[in-house]
Amino acid sequence: DVKVTQSSRYLVKRTGEKVFLECVQDMDHENMFWYRQDPGLGLRLIYFSYDVKMKEKGDIPEGYSVSREKKERFSLILESASTNQTSMYLCASSSGGESTDTQYFGPGTRLTVL
Amino acid sequence: TQLLEQSPQFLSIQEGENLTVYCNSSSVFSSLQWYRQEPGEGPVLLVTVVTGGEVKKLKRLTFQFGDARKDSSLHITAAQPGDTGLYLCAGAFNFGNEKLTFGTGTRLTIIP
Repeated sequence: DVKVTQSSRYLVKRTGEKVFLECVQDMDHENMFWYRQDPGLGLRLIYFSYDVKMKEKGDIPEGYSVSREKKERFSLILESASTNQTSMYLCASSSGGESTDTQYFGPGTRLTVL
Repeated sequence: TQLLEQSPQFLSIQEGENLTVYCNSSSVFSSLQWYRQEPGEGPVLLVTVVTGGEVKKLKRLTFQFGDARKDSSLHITAAQPGDTGLYLCAGAFNFGNEKLTFGTGTRLTIIP
């Protein structure tokens, strides 16, 4: 079974802090994704990566950056956290190449910025 | 950015009843997926539909893709408490593009 793990289930940070969210997948998938999930808005894509060191902006990249130094690991970085970044963050991976590929999700990190 | 609207946003029904949830877009999908998310977990894929008019069944769940590939529906027969969760449709608008646009979600509660 594909396993996608996220470094923390819950995280509380203060405004202005630098925040790292880590995601690891164990199935050698090419693609990895970061979403944020807010009530009534569904999942919105922040960034995705289709290969090591490759990244592409999603629909809401402002205030975020990403890093993919190794194939299995995809990090989301909040350079200076703000209260409007309080949300559930979901990481996903897929084998790559087709829109019909299954995306496998981690359990999510609920981030609160005070 | 293409938008996917799901309706209803919330649905609460008694065990044993039937229900249908909808996913609509003004743009044509190249493919569409339905996911279910349970509390404290990430979404899990239920089905992928690709062909206009396609119908797929998964036990008591029936998924239909509109003929024009702009809409989809999920019908649940004889709902069970285990069907409780957030149902998300996710559409791809370009063939071969791995990016998905997710719908706003339908939160379903089945009352025993």
